[in-house]
Amino acid sequence: EVQLVESGGGLVQPGGSLRLSCAASGFTFSSHWMHWVRQGPGKGLVWVSEIHPDGSITNYADSVKGRFAISRDNAKSTLDLQMNSLRAEDTAVYYCVRGTSAWKGVDFWGQGTLVTVSS
Amino acid sequence: DIVMTQTPLSSPVTLGQPASISCRSSQSLLHSDGNTYLSWLQQRPGQPPRLLIYKISSRFSGVPDRFSGSGAGTDFTLKISRVEAEDVGVYYCMHGTQPPHTFGQGTKLEIK
Repeated sequence: EVQLVESGGGLVQPGGSLRLSCAASGFTFSSHWMHWVRQGPGKGLVWVSEIHPDGSITNYADSVKGRFAISRDNAKSTLDLQMNSLRAEDTAVYYCVRGTSAWKGVDFWGQGTLVTVSS
Repeated sequence: DIVMTQTPLSSPVTLGQPASISCRSSQSLLHSDGNTYLSWLQQRPGQPPRLLIYKISSRFSGVPDRFSGSGAGTDFTLKISRVEAEDVGVYYCMHGTQPPHTFGQGTKLEIK
């Protein structure tokens, strides 16, 4: 069974930093693109970032480019998102999402972790 | 960036009746490999999203056959043949053709 468990969310002041982690199990982690998607309170889904199975390629939404960094450790089956220079508009539930191996898209989602940026 | 536009944004439906949601992309989602990477997701209240349909019309594992997808190029549709109470939630289209992988605004399906 595919499992994605996020951690690291919490309350942070504007301008601060936070590191999210996602522990993956139930599949061959090193074979899949991985993504972060966020959802502001009462709002829709927004794609944030993705990383290639071997970590060699990363892509970001314009809204987080230069502030967020995605990384992975295939030996530990973990996905991270380092978030710097946080703004109020970054407040959201952040989901760890598995990319599909057979087509370009996503399939399994974690339960999410809440990040609140507020003074 | 590709903009995904869904209509309607809200859809009140009677139990047992069909429902239909449209998604239009600002440019063709046809990839150079010949596939079109348009997906539909369902988000029930208080739950993370769940994949329903991928590559326009392929149902994901465990998805009931009352859900179907169709379309091509820039125009896509999700249909529910007979709405059940468990179908209440928000439905999103999403493209995987190239980053950024944008979502539609979401369509809230509710029971009349």
